Amino acid sequence: DTGVSQDPRHKITKRGQNVTFRCDPISEHNRLYWYRQTLGQGPEFLTYFQNEAQLEKSRLLSDRFSAERPKGSFSTLEIQRTEQGDSAMYLCASHETGKGEAFFGQGTRLTVV
Amino acid sequence: SQQGEEDPQALSIQEGENATMNCSYKTSINNLQWYRQNSGRGLVHLILIRSNEREKHSGRLRVTLDTSKKSSSLLITASRAADTASYFCATDDGSGNTGKLIFGQGTTLQVKP
Repeated sequence: DTGVSQDPRHKITKRGQNVTFRCDPISEHNRLYWYRQTLGQGPEFLTYFQNEAQLEKSRLLSDRFSAERPKGSFSTLEIQRTEQGDSAMYLCASHETGKGEAFFGQGTRLTVV
Repeated sequence: SQQGEEDPQALSIQEGENATMNCSYKTSINNLQWYRQNSGRGLVHLILIRSNEREKHSGRLRVTLDTSKKSSSLLITASRAADTASYFCATDDGSGNTGKLIFGQGTTLQVKP
């Protein structure tokens, strides 16, 4: 499978715990994006990378959120001290610079209890 | 933040009928895209229309764009039960540089067999 893959698909965690999600983009895509989607809403942009550089972060990304893409390949999104309001689907997408179409992974559904 | 509104929020039709979904946006754009999302899954790109295009076709899909009204429509002809999904429009951020997508709230389509 050469698409975007995300791991895990589902995560249930207790409030206050830290969680980390992983995204493996399509290998030749230099741009990687994280989005968050709550029930009944469209995805909202969180941050994006071009190669290993994090170029933009949304105001939605509080200090408890951090994302990395250390070698310009896979990326991780960590949420520290999770809150119930963090419960959502976290989507990763990649695309090639200059091309409009983005390719999405299946998402990681986070439930904070 | 969400780009605009999609209308209707929910649509239920019989197999074989046509489905039309509308999307409005707020800012200047370079392109507008439509994505499909099956329940609990990632998004799949359907079609991209550039700001200098007025209409585009792909199989049973027809997309129109009216930049003067900041609106777009997606028509699915001869719908099938397998078309049941949520449909989102997404615009770029107007810069043409980031590849970041700004999504609408989506239309949930149910096609009854």
